[in-house]
Amino acid sequence: GAVVSQHPSRVICKSGTSVKIECRSLDFQATTMFWYRQFPKKSLMLMATSNEGSKATYEQGVEKDKFLINHASLTLSTLTVTSAHPEDSSFYICSAREGSMVQYFGPGTRLLVL
Amino acid sequence: QQPVQSPQAVILREGEDAVINCSSSKALYSVHWYRQKHGEAPVFLMILLKGGEQKGHDKISASFNEKKQQSSLYLTASQLSYSGTYFCGTEIQAGTALIFGKGTTLSVSS
Repeated sequence: GAVVSQHPSRVICKSGTSVKIECRSLDFQATTMFWYRQFPKKSLMLMATSNEGSKATYEQGVEKDKFLINHASLTLSTLTVTSAHPEDSSFYICSAREGSMVQYFGPGTRLLVL
Repeated sequence: QQPVQSPQAVILREGEDAVINCSSSKALYSVHWYRQKHGEAPVFLMILLKGGEQKGHDKISASFNEKKQQSSLYLTASQLSYSGTYFCGTEIQAGTALIFGKGTTLSVSS
């Protein structure tokens, strides 16, 4: 299957700082990427849909000014958590769709805000 | 809009079978099944499109009943490696984001 990478895999930061997470499709072009958030033992909650060259579409309740998404190329989308607080600590996972069918997930980024 | 998965948890011994169900109140374009192990990202298992098809590979198969808007994942002769949390992701239109159910935790012991 197709490969999606995420970087970093784990990050610890101080409250008030910003953290950038990169999501790359390594062997295919992804016009659409998705960002999910997952709390321990919970389901994957869709945060936003990222389209190459246009603004991301955020789900209801997700603050667009807090979670900045940029999809600069067909293989790269970034999520920046601005002014992070302890409640932002979570497992963030991106996915990319190959064609119009299968959605492949990256390995995830575990964020801990102290 | 979140699909409903059942059961919430299943405990099996090696070699036993299990069925996991995923139901939606909305008409679906497709259903995707993933397995997630603790601390890892979900791994794609299979996709079913509307049309009531059935798919499978090895001892894992799935069906999609379009009339009921329900998909079932069948795990036969379970192995230890089948342990994990199974999520169904539903798509109401082609190309849109998947909305995931709450997951079914499967534990297989020897």
